[in-house]
Amino acid sequence: ELKVEQNPLFLSMQEGKNYTIYCNYSTTSDRLYWYRQDPGKSLESLFVLLSNGAVKQEGRLMASLDTKARLSTLHITAAVHDLSATYFCAVSGGGSQGNLIFGKGTKLSVKP
Amino acid sequence: DAMVIQNPRYQVTQFGKPVTLSCSQTLNHNVMYWYQQKSSQAPKLLFHYYDKDFNNEADTPDNFQSRRPNTSFCFLDIRSPGLGDAAMYLCATSREGYEQYFGPGTRLTVT
Repeated sequence: ELKVEQNPLFLSMQEGKNYTIYCNYSTTSDRLYWYRQDPGKSLESLFVLLSNGAVKQEGRLMASLDTKARLSTLHITAAVHDLSATYFCAVSGGGSQGNLIFGKGTKLSVKP
Repeated sequence: DAMVIQNPRYQVTQFGKPVTLSCSQTLNHNVMYWYQQKSSQAPKLLFHYYDKDFNNEADTPDNFQSRRPNTSFCFLDIRSPGLGDAAMYLCATSREGYEQYFGPGTRLTVT
């Protein structure tokens, strides 16, 4: 059974600081996704990581994937208040139907 | 430009009164999913359609049903909503199980 663990679950950081969110998964998967969710809103796709060593960056966020370690990271550089949200990683269960298994999410709060 | 549309955005229903949530898509994707997300939890897959084939998750209660009359539309029916069914319901689509595109969600309140 595929399991996805994220840590930390809660993260309070000051503006301007750097931090990393970790996502571990238990079995081989060919796709890993990062989503952002604002309170009361739907999921916004941030990154799709498809291969070992993949690195993608958008603004202050950078995601990477190590399929051998079954680990993905979401690195936040010089955090700003607008990044406050809940971040989910999700791993594809495989096959053509693409069922996603989500981590529990990391609630990020960036304080001035 | 909306790609995955959910209606209504907010739904209030009474305990035990059947309710239907709607999802439509303009992407012509063959896979459509329904997720339930309770407060401060991760989304949980209820079921999905691969083309016309319905796939139910093992732990989805019988109270939840779905219909997909054509490629563009998918419905979530809750036959007898309980207080524990209050949640955000998210519809998503994908082409052949690749990247999923989520709709804005329907917030369901049960009184």
